[in-house]
Amino acid sequence: SQQGEEDPQALSIQEGENATMNCSYKTSINNLQWYRQNSGRGLVHLILIRSNEREKHSGRLRVTLDTSKKSSSLLITASRAADTASYFCATLLDYKLSFGAGTTVTVRA
Amino acid sequence: EAGVVQSPRYKIIEKKQPVAFWCNPISGHNTLYWYRQNLGQGPELLIRYENEEAVDDSQLPKDRFSAERLKGVDSTLKIQPAELGDSAVYLCASSLEGSGTEAFFGQGTRLTVV
Repeated sequence: SQQGEEDPQALSIQEGENATMNCSYKTSINNLQWYRQNSGRGLVHLILIRSNEREKHSGRLRVTLDTSKKSSSLLITASRAADTASYFCATLLDYKLSFGAGTTVTVRA
Repeated sequence: EAGVVQSPRYKIIEKKQPVAFWCNPISGHNTLYWYRQNLGQGPELLIRYENEEAVDDSQLPKDRFSAERLKGVDSTLKIQPAELGDSAVYLCASSLEGSGTEAFFGQGTRLTVV
């Protein structure tokens, strides 16, 4: 079974628009991470937010974390065609990194 | 610096045959993970190593799967015998001590059992 649940499962947006996806998880965590996976390739780490942090930015990425609701969101601003990929949240607890099922994002030109 | 290297990239075998996957983690990374990813799903942890010790293998189907990490560096994952349901992408990842840093993933091995 997977620790995280991403919402929505799939998202289609126009280039230049923002994309928001959410992640809910079940247990306490040490940190939460977001990864991107392009078709047929391995996962690439995007951003990490620790359990005592509420918001973090990295370039066009913004992540929020609400540990009371056991949820996180990833915002990609000014999307580009190259952002087309699957995005996964992953929770770390006691050295175990557990992934959700992912959100598939398609950016239309 | 080289990333996580996995081989082979693709493997097609008949059911009941054995198969092995190899992973070379990033130099200096103590933690090594093996994940299985089915189509359209997220990776699911099979086993985690801290150096040469398997510290979490609760999700590894031990009747047919085995793994080892020689001298705390390279690792192999073996399936014997393979079943049709084992078709998936097998991902290896490594991180610094698993203490809350990011994990670096290899390109994966896509296994097809026919």
